Amino acid sequence: DVELVESGGGLVKTGGSLRLSCSAPMFVFSSYTLNWVRQAPGKGLEWISDIDGRGQASYADSVKDRFSLSRDNDKQSVSLQMNSLRAEDTAVYFCARSLAVTDSFDIWGHGTKVIV
Amino acid sequence: DIQMTQSPSTLSASVGDSVTITCRASQTVSKWVAWYQQKPGKGPKLLIYQASRLESGVPSRFSGSGSGTDFTLTISSLQPDDFATYHCQQYSSKPVAFGQGTKLDFK
Repeated sequence: DVELVESGGGLVKTGGSLRLSCSAPMFVFSSYTLNWVRQAPGKGLEWISDIDGRGQASYADSVKDRFSLSRDNDKQSVSLQMNSLRAEDTAVYFCARSLAVTDSFDIWGHGTKVIV
Repeated sequence: DIQMTQSPSTLSASVGDSVTITCRASQTVSKWVAWYQQKPGKGPKLLIYQASRLESGVPSRFSGSGSGTDFTLTISSLQPDDFATYHCQQYSSKPVAFGQGTKLDFK
């Protein structure tokens, strides 16, 4: 089965930094857009960032200028660098795959928890 | 930005029941709506895309309908495995947006 695996979550102080990773070993990685979606405790899903196959990234206003998304197609992974973390960034962070930047998300990871 | 308003937030039902969850977009999104199922501790699972197209492997008791601004997810003949949280999503334009979720629990 195709799978996405997130890692890097943890406990961090306000103002601190954390780097999340998402690996995807089982499909032609460069053909897909990779997204990050977060879910705060007891809340709905919030899209926060995506990166297309060419490496063009975009961000939600809530994380713009604080988070940075990059990808390594050779290693089949993406990395979300999160800086200046706030209490409201506390959430489970999911990596999800889509065919384009405006498309449904057909494969999701299990998530990694970030507590600020 | 387009907002998705999902209702109800919770829904109680029994095995064998048929249930409907609705999602309304703040402006037209054509047919670009997806529905997901999420269980505790897991990532969401895609059920429906393009408002009414069933993802491969999803049971036919799940169906979606709608276009423009109003969309529904219907689950007929509920099975024990269907008790979960359901999310709608618009992907007509960026930023893509999700509804607040509907928790389906046992009556």
